[in-house]
Amino acid sequence: GQQVMQIPQYQHVQEGEDFTTYCNSSTTLSNIQWYKQRPGGHPVFLIQLVKSGEVKKQKRLTFQFGEAKKNSSLHITATQTTDVGTYFCAGRGSGYSTLTFGKGTMLLVSP
Amino acid sequence: EPEVTQTPSHQVTQMGQEVILRCVPISNHLYFYWYRQILGQKVEFLVSFYNNEISEKSEIFDDQFSVERPDGSNFTLKIRSTKLEDSAMYFCASSEASYSNQPQHFGDGTRLSIL
Repeated sequence: GQQVMQIPQYQHVQEGEDFTTYCNSSTTLSNIQWYKQRPGGHPVFLIQLVKSGEVKKQKRLTFQFGEAKKNSSLHITATQTTDVGTYFCAGRGSGYSTLTFGKGTMLLVSP
Repeated sequence: EPEVTQTPSHQVTQMGQEVILRCVPISNHLYFYWYRQILGQKVEFLVSFYNNEISEKSEIFDDQFSVERPDGSNFTLKIRSTKLEDSAMYFCASSEASYSNQPQHFGDGTRLSIL
């Protein structure tokens, strides 16, 4: 079945440093979604990428979808303590409707 | 902003007992989902539901699980004979009509603890 791998599992940065999490799928994706889960909270939808090579920005967050639609990344510029949480990618394969979540990257930001 | 609501927030049950987890999806959404997240692990898909029937289910969703939409607002997950390994956070989610490209809105979850 479809597998979505995400690295790193954990990252601890100082406030102001950049952060990137990477997501790779074993199969070509029709689209990929990113979610953020705060400690003790539920996943909250951030964005969806559909097109090959697509890049979307939300303030300090930049999301990319690979040309082959098998990988994606989330980059946060100049992290803030409010960025703390676990970031999940979730991919949907061609012909499949189920979202397969990656294991997530837990981000800790120290002031 | 409309929200997915889940009750109870925490359920403690003896092993072997039946539990029903309840969800009220966002009112104009047509697709509903249940996910499970074991502590510290990833979110795992259990089942999706549309037009009063299961659309897809994962390997986790075996015969001890069932879902139901008993009325126009509630969406329930029943676990018939709970096991210790069923302890997890269970999230309900919903999305709009064309769910393949729609974001899923998650509820706050029900923490299920099996003793």
